Amino acid sequence: NAGVTQTPKFQVLKTGQSMTLQCAQDMNHEYMSWYRQDPGMGLRLIHYSVGAGITDQGEVPNGYNVSRSTTEDFPLRLLSAAPSQTSVYFCASILDGMGTEAFFGQGTRLTVV
Amino acid sequence: AQKVTQAQTEISVVEKEDVTLDCVYETRDTTYYLFWYKQPPSGELVFLIRRNSFDEQNEISGRYSWNFQKSTSSFNFTITASQVVDSAVYFCALNRGYGGSQGNLIFGKGTKLSVKP
Repeated sequence: NAGVTQTPKFQVLKTGQSMTLQCAQDMNHEYMSWYRQDPGMGLRLIHYSVGAGITDQGEVPNGYNVSRSTTEDFPLRLLSAAPSQTSVYFCASILDGMGTEAFFGQGTRLTVV
Repeated sequence: AQKVTQAQTEISVVEKEDVTLDCVYETRDTTYYLFWYKQPPSGELVFLIRRNSFDEQNEISGRYSWNFQKSTSSFNFTITASQVVDSAVYFCALNRGYGGSQGNLIFGKGTKLSVKP
């Protein structure tokens, strides 16, 4: 049982490049979300999904795009990378909306130069 | 609006000391959930405990204990006889129990705990 798998673990991008962070879960969880972690800021929600075909914006959505075509996958797209997007990104999945705990991927450390 | 405040940015203790990490939350919901997560230096996020708004019982798990008080909107975490392996960043988080944003965690900014040998 792999849980939540995030790839890649590390990435360096040049300003203006685009890329996709992959996230997959094998627990048949309904909810998936993306957070970014910046020093002294905790984790902030970027986008989330409450089921296949349904996504919505979180606290810091600008510059990011998501889609959820299957229950298992929830990729995060950076449209045109900016240095302000240098961060550690975490994907999470939650079974349902009844307060069950979130399972997190290992994180992706992204640097935009 | 919902908010989680962890006022202690960094705490440093000597091994075997007891330490309490504070968490204060704000919400107007009557149903909500509170969590603690640990982030060791390796970077992963480890779930420690969940508490729902209707259960104010304190919880003890080995050297860890949690004190949930609705009257003060606090969910504090105590480590007894701290060990070097407890060194990590600890996050308190809030999840509302209903509405469209169910499943989304609102995190505090974290408390970095350093336990010195």
